[in-house]
Parts: sequence; structure tokens; C-alpha cells
Amino acid sequence: ETGVTQTPRHLVMGMTNKKSLKCEQHLGHNAMYWYKQSAKKPLELMFVYNFKEQTENNSVPSRFSPECPNSSHLFLHLHTLQPEDSALYLCASSPRGGLADPWDEQFFGPGTRLTVL
Amino acid sequence: QKEVEQDPGPLSVPEGAIVSLNCTYSNSAFQYFMWYRQYSRKGPELLMYTYSSGNKEDGRFTAQVDKSSKYISLFIRDSQPSDSATYLCAMRAAGGTSYGKLTFGQGTILTVHP
Repeated sequence: ETGVTQTPRHLVMGMTNKKSLKCEQHLGHNAMYWYKQSAKKPLELMFVYNFKEQTENNSVPSRFSPECPNSSHLFLHLHTLQPEDSALYLCASSPRGGLADPWDEQFFGPGTRLTVL
Repeated sequence: QKEVEQDPGPLSVPEGAIVSLNCTYSNSAFQYFMWYRQYSRKGPELLMYTYSSGNKEDGRFTAQVDKSSKYISLFIRDSQPSDSATYLCAMRAAGGTSYGKLTFGQGTILTVHP
């Protein structure tokens, strides 16, 4: 596997379910990100992790809970979601986290298409 | 007012046409400007990255930044059906608490038909 992978690619869940999204990067990067991409809206940054530490929480509701056990893996735990949370959830990674290097390039995974019924 | 405005299209052009994609922005702190390309069922990939005002060319692609007008453009020459994708502009401030954050436009859907 190369680059940034995400599983599952598609997920349908009810509002009372608990599920998790997984992201893995094989690039040796030190920063990882979760974004939400909704139809007709710009990509919204949700969380940023630098060297496994959360450095950004963009006012995300607590029904989304991130976890970063190491620099290569990132999870997004989901519980009691709402239909408006249906979207494409993208994971990205970058070598240095952007905070110290404005040229820090983010590499995106293919996303998980989430549908909340 | 949104920080970054991008016409969502869709834009449909014949093969070989010159395509112009544009974004305007309101935050004068933005110094770094990017264009991403996103194919259907894929994540965005970085296409062009520029700093401040001026032009940058890479093959058939030219990125243009006009900071005085807060306006950026991506030109695609000799467009090909393989250029059909959604194009996202993104911007980053220099310094401050939002140093590392990217702010994206809504994306423009482009179709190049044979």
C-alpha cells in the first residue's frame, strides 16, 4: 500500500449506531488531518494531529471523536450522528504539519462516503 | 461573506479549449495559493502551489495570483478529456494562529468533452 488509505470507502449508519473511520499513511509524515466535504460546500478542516498530539479542533461536535495512536494511523469515531453529517470524510497527511512550514504539502486519501439515515 | 469564493460551475468545454478557473478571497493575510484537482471517487491532489503575486507555469497549467485584486486563476491550455475533474483553490496565511490551515473554495466541476 502506498500513500494515504482510508477504510471503509462507504458507510451507511443509523443515528444510534457507533462506527469508526480508519486512515493510514505510508509516507512517513508527522501530521494527519480529518476534513469533511459536503456537496456544494468547501472542504472543512475538522482536526489536526502533529506528532500524535491534537493541535486543532475546528469546533467539531463531540459526536465526532478523533484518535491518533501513532503518526501513521488516525481514526474518527462516530456516535449518534445526524443526517446532516452525511458527507465525504477525507483524511490527509503532511510531512511537517504546516505550522512551521508554509510549503508543507497535504496528501489526501480517497475518502469515506458516509450516509446517516 | 465567505473567505474564498469559487464558481462551482459546472463548466463544459470542448477538447483543446483554454480553460480559466478563478477564485476570489477576502482575507489579505493569505500569502500561499494552491490548486487541487479531484477526480471522481478520489481525494484532492495538489496541482500547483504559488506564493504571493505573479505567474507560475507547469506544462499546460498556469497559476496566476493578483494580490491587489485578491484574485487567483488557473489556466489549462489544450484541455484534454482527462482534465475532467473538480478543481479546488486553497489558500494559506503566513504567520498567526491560522498559519498551517488551508482555506478551500467550493470547487469548480470541469468537463472536457471529445
